[in-house]
Amino acid sequence: DAGVIQSPRHEVTEMGQEVTLRCKPISGHNSLFWYRQTMMRGLELLIYFNNNVPIDDSGMPEDRFSAKMPNASFSTLKIQPSEPRDSAVYFCASSLAQRGAGNEQFFGPGTRLTVL
Amino acid sequence: AQSVTQLDSQVPVFEEAPVELRCNYSSSVSVYLFWYVQYPNQGLQLLLKYLSGSTLVESINGFEAEFNKSQTSFHLRKPSVHISATAEYYCAVSGGGDMRFGAGTRLTVKP
Repeated sequence: DAGVIQSPRHEVTEMGQEVTLRCKPISGHNSLFWYRQTMMRGLELLIYFNNNVPIDDSGMPEDRFSAKMPNASFSTLKIQPSEPRDSAVYFCASSLAQRGAGNEQFFGPGTRLTVL
Repeated sequence: AQSVTQLDSQVPVFEEAPVELRCNYSSSVSVYLFWYVQYPNQGLQLLLKYLSGSTLVESINGFEAEFNKSQTSFHLRKPSVHISATAEYYCAVSGGGDMRFGAGTRLTVKP
């Protein structure tokens, strides 16, 4: 398996522009997670899906952020409009939620977002 | 709800010295515990995990961690570290749904 795939790997944009980050989870996994990582705040869970349904979006910073999972093999995280403080590395992770299995998460390589 | 506290933000050691990265957790339910490692410009990779059974778990590269329920700890240890172990290490806890990560410990191994 290719692992979790994220695109783009790097994104540089100007304040006010719309940014869309993409994630393809590992085939067969039924849970998907979006994280944001910064020096100041560390690793933050933004939202997670189970069977394509958002379960917990309490970590989404504000209404400028939205996430979708239209099917089991694709998810997007959108920021509109983007601001310089959104600059961070965004990680997508997936897991197979099984009772007693611990739900180990597999991480993608991340998207480094820079908002100028 | 679960939470994780990593007691040291930075741990500098010399090569071939022993190292311990400390992790304490809190949870109202049975937990699964994990250590992840992140090398520069990469995503997090699973290092080892405790699900059940033996409280001492090991990774393929010589790290080990012991689940201590009475002390609610899951400290990571290695008797002798190489420079290549320099990375950020994250302790995480899961109750079966989402996963909560600690703030991370930066391990720096010096020659």
